[in-house]
This record gives sequence, structure tokens and C-alpha cells, in this order.
Amino acid sequence: AQKITQTQPGMFVQEKEAVTLDCTYDTSDQSYGLFWYKQPSSGEMIFLIYQGSYDEQNATEGRYSLNFQKARKSANLVISASQLGDSAMYFCAMRRPISSGSARQLTFGSGTQLTVLP
Amino acid sequence: DAGVTQSPTHLIKTRGQQVTLRCSPKSGHDTVSWYQQALGQGPQFIFQYYEEEERQRGNFPDRFSGHQFPNYSSELNVNALLLGDSALYLCASSGRDSSRETQYFGPGTRLLVL
Repeated sequence: AQKITQTQPGMFVQEKEAVTLDCTYDTSDQSYGLFWYKQPSSGEMIFLIYQGSYDEQNATEGRYSLNFQKARKSANLVISASQLGDSAMYFCAMRRPISSGSARQLTFGSGTQLTVLP
Repeated sequence: DAGVTQSPTHLIKTRGQQVTLRCSPKSGHDTVSWYQQALGQGPQFIFQYYEEEERQRGNFPDRFSGHQFPNYSSELNVNALLLGDSALYLCASSGRDSSRETQYFGPGTRLLVL
């Protein structure tokens, strides 16, 4: 079974500063996908960034980057130059390998509430 | 390019009633997944539909059922509602021709069971 652990229920960061949100995972699969989503208070889950387990480089998408350490089974999200609009709940999620056939669902962590201070 | 849409946005029901939630996937996507998100928790996978069939199911009772139509839209039905079914119900769509199969979510339906 897959498990995602997010140990930071809440985080605060000053506007324009960088922040790291932690995510560790547990899986016996060699191939898997890792995702980060942002959920504002409105409820919609917004896709931010993807990292494949065999990707050699850490994923980056604009101000978002993923610090992927496969041996430690961690996939931390780094947000650079925080903005007030970044205040939201952030979820780390995992998907089993495509080759596993039917198991395409996402397994989510419990989330981290990020608050950006002016 | 329209994203994932869901209806209704909010719903209030009483215990024992039945509810139907609807989802239209993002253009070009053929797979729809449903998730339940209780307050303060991460989403939990309910089931996934592809080619009008349920392909994968999470740990949810048979009171939860679904359907996918030929145009790839989907419905989630919940029978005999319980207070514990109060949650945000999220629909996500993805394309199986993508190596990542990134799931894109709709705005959700907030269900309150009284």
C-alpha cells in the first residue's frame, strides 16, 4: 500500500521569502508518480507540479520546484518568492505506475496549510 | 478550453435520501475519478471510470455508485445518505494517452447531510 505523510499541519512564510513544504512517501513500487496540488478555500484542487520516480532532474514549474530525494523517499515542494495568493492548503499525492494496470488512483497526504504574511 | 465542471456546487440533503452529482471532464480526457474529502482531510479515492466501466474502486460501500456516459461525463450516486457522507466531492479527469496521467480537478460539490 502507498502512504503519503505531510508532517507540517501549518506553515507561515513572509511575503517574497521561499518556503519548503515537506512530503515523505512509502511505496514498494519502483516506478511511481508524485504530484503536488494547491487547494484554496474555494475547494478546487489545482495541479502544481509532477515528478516521475525515474526523472533524473528535479521538476520545476515557474516558482515551484520539487526537491526529490528518492533514497530518502521525500518529495518536498519549494515555493520561491511567496505571494499572498499562495496562501492555501497544499497536498502531496502519489500514483502507482501506469504499468500496474488498474491502480491509477491518487493517494493523498493530509495537507499543509500555508499562510503568507504581508 | 473548458476545464472540469461539476454540478451542483452545493447540496443539502437529509439522512436516508439519495443524491446524484455530475461531472464533465476536461476536453480531450476520457477517464473520470471521484474523490471524497472530509473536512480537514486529504481526498479519498472513491472510484474511477474509463470506457464507461468502473475500473478501480476505493474502500467505499456499495451505497456509492457511478456511471460514465459515451461523452465521458460521469455521475456519482450515493444512496441512503448518512451524516458522515457530508463532505466535498471532487471529480478529476485525465487522459490515458499521457505518460503522466495528471488528474485535473473540478471545483467540487459540497454535500451537507442533515
